[in-house]
Amino acid sequence: AQSVTQLDSHVSVSEGTPVLLRCNYSSSYSPSLFWYVQHPNKGLQLLLKYTSAATLVKGINGFEAEFKKSETSFHLTKPSAHMSDAAEYFCVVSRMYNNNDMRFGAGTRLTVKP
Amino acid sequence: GAGVSQSPRYKVAKRGQDVALRCDPISGHVSLFWYQQALGQGPEFLTYFQNEAQLDKSGLPSDRFFAERPEGSVSTLKIQRTQQEDSAVYLCASSPDRPNTGELFFGEGSRLTVL
Repeated sequence: AQSVTQLDSHVSVSEGTPVLLRCNYSSSYSPSLFWYVQHPNKGLQLLLKYTSAATLVKGINGFEAEFKKSETSFHLTKPSAHMSDAAEYFCVVSRMYNNNDMRFGAGTRLTVKP
Repeated sequence: GAGVSQSPRYKVAKRGQDVALRCDPISGHVSLFWYQQALGQGPEFLTYFQNEAQLDKSGLPSDRFFAERPEGSVSTLKIQRTQQEDSAVYLCASSPDRPNTGELFFGEGSRLTVL
């Protein structure tokens, strides 16, 4: 069984400041981990994924995440927020290379203030 | 098409009506998934197809929910005798068999409102 916990339901940052969205996971198997972004009235889009290669994963739009097995965490970061980053972000866990059992977190809404 | 297409984008139904939601996956994608996303929540798994075979329907909340993919391409999610708690966005996703990177490609969803 697997699950994710997104520790913040809402994060607010100022434009140009760093972004940190926190995610902890639980998995009985070696996990694959993902971050998806959902803009209003848009489909979910993959930001980045971890599938057992490098533990520091770089994604689109300047986002990155680090897989820390000892802390069972996969936090999403970005050095400098942009207004267009405002969206809902979902952390997702699945069994490695098996997308039949993907479990989504409840989501974190990111607000970017000018 | 270039992406996963879902229709209708918006559906309003009176309680007790039947609804059908359609999903056109990316051409050639073997796997197809349906998720339910309630307001303010993350997507919850409903069911999964590999080609025309429904391999997992453990997430369907009741026997009022039925999904099919008869020719291994387009899929339909049917909800009979809709109830207010069925109000949600229904998301369809597809993925290729090879390479299996675990990534799902999502449609924009069908928002169902049951009055």
